[in-house]
Amino acid sequence: SQQGEEDPQALSIQEGENATMNCSYKTSINNLQWYRQNSGRGLVHLILIRSNEREKHSGRLRVTLDTSKKSSSLLITASRAADTASYFCATDEGGGFKTIFGAGTRLFVKA
Amino acid sequence: GAGVSQSPSNKVTEKGKDVELRCDPISGHTALYWYRQSLGQGLEFLIYFQGNSAPDKSGLPSDRFSAERTGGSVSTLTIQRTQQEDSAVYLCASRPPTGGGNTIYFGEGSWLTVV
Repeated sequence: SQQGEEDPQALSIQEGENATMNCSYKTSINNLQWYRQNSGRGLVHLILIRSNEREKHSGRLRVTLDTSKKSSSLLITASRAADTASYFCATDEGGGFKTIFGAGTRLFVKA
Repeated sequence: GAGVSQSPSNKVTEKGKDVELRCDPISGHTALYWYRQSLGQGLEFLIYFQGNSAPDKSGLPSDRFSAERTGGSVSTLTIQRTQQEDSAVYLCASRPPTGGGNTIYFGEGSWLTVV
């Protein structure tokens, strides 16, 4: 089952521009996480935002969470070619341990 | 090892054969997950194990798929009578016990090609 849905499915931008990706989910959550995947291999954790938080920053990453709309956004500022990857949101279905990932956004940053 | 280890990295098998994919989680992690990812697609949840509880098998696509976790550590995902649509990357991940953080740590995946 897919808990999260990301949009856009793909995003192509120039180096230096900001990239915004959105995620929606269906059930109640304790937290929401964003992961990055290079070349179809293992995912790497980027940032976690708890259900009682509205915004969180980590370096060039900014995550927002709106639990009333069941949605989150990931903003990457001043993008670099090395940011080219797929980005996924993940939530624990029903607040348990069953972690479900969205369909992902494929980001292309052109140098 | 320090990370989640999966083997084999790549497997080519003939349609109808059985395959076994192995996952060694991070030591001490109580939760272990299997996901499937077809080319260019998202992660499809297959199954997860949490401590000594019964596994959540709700994502297994058919009865040809099964998984076990021995001794609370190593896990094996078995696909019987493989079909071409089973071709995908199979990703394993593990997670610390409750209170140890929510981050899931992934292996590099096993790429399965059924010909």
